Amino acid sequence: KAGVTQTPRYLIKTRGQQVTLSCSPISGHRSVSWYQQTPGQGLQFLFEYFSETQRNKGNFPGRFSGRQFSNSRSEMNVSTLELGDSALYLCASSPGQALHEQFFGPGTRLTVL
Amino acid sequence: AQSVTQLGSHVSVSEGALVLLRCNYSSSVPPYLFWYVQYPNQGLQLLLKYTSAATLVKGINGFEAEFKKSETSFHLTKPSAHMSDAAEYFCAVNPDSGYSTLTFGKGTMLLVSP
Repeated sequence: KAGVTQTPRYLIKTRGQQVTLSCSPISGHRSVSWYQQTPGQGLQFLFEYFSETQRNKGNFPGRFSGRQFSNSRSEMNVSTLELGDSALYLCASSPGQALHEQFFGPGTRLTVL
Repeated sequence: AQSVTQLGSHVSVSEGALVLLRCNYSSSVPPYLFWYVQYPNQGLQLLLKYTSAATLVKGINGFEAEFKKSETSFHLTKPSAHMSDAAEYFCAVNPDSGYSTLTFGKGTMLLVSP
């Protein structure tokens, strides 16, 4: 099986712009979660989608949003980018039931100038 | 809320030495615990997971961890370090068994010297 894929791998944006990141989960996985990784804050949970519905949400402002499509692919969007949004954004997929480990993609490195 | 604390942001060992990375959890109920490894410019790879089936959990690449309820610990060990083990290691807990999401520790960078 192919692993979790994320596109693009690297992205440079300027303050005030918006950005959309994409994630394709492992085939058959219905849950997709997004995490933000920064040197200062570490790994922080953004949100989880399961069967096209947001099932869980972390403590991030409304500028961060996401969605999931019927084929389980997911996108996350960040509007009005701030310098502090520079981070590695990781997507993880799992079958969707509790206790299953999450499988991570390589991440998208976002730099905001 | 459940959380994990990793003691030591950096751990240095010599090749062939014992690796011990510490993780303590805070939970009022038995948690589900995970160890992940992250190599530079890559995502996270699961090393092992504890889901209450056995207190000693064996993972990939020779790593294992022991769940100790009395100490609320889930330390990661490997008898003999290899240069290829140099990476960042994260302990994580599933804060709500109804979901798949994880709460991570701050991470421990393992440095291996020849």
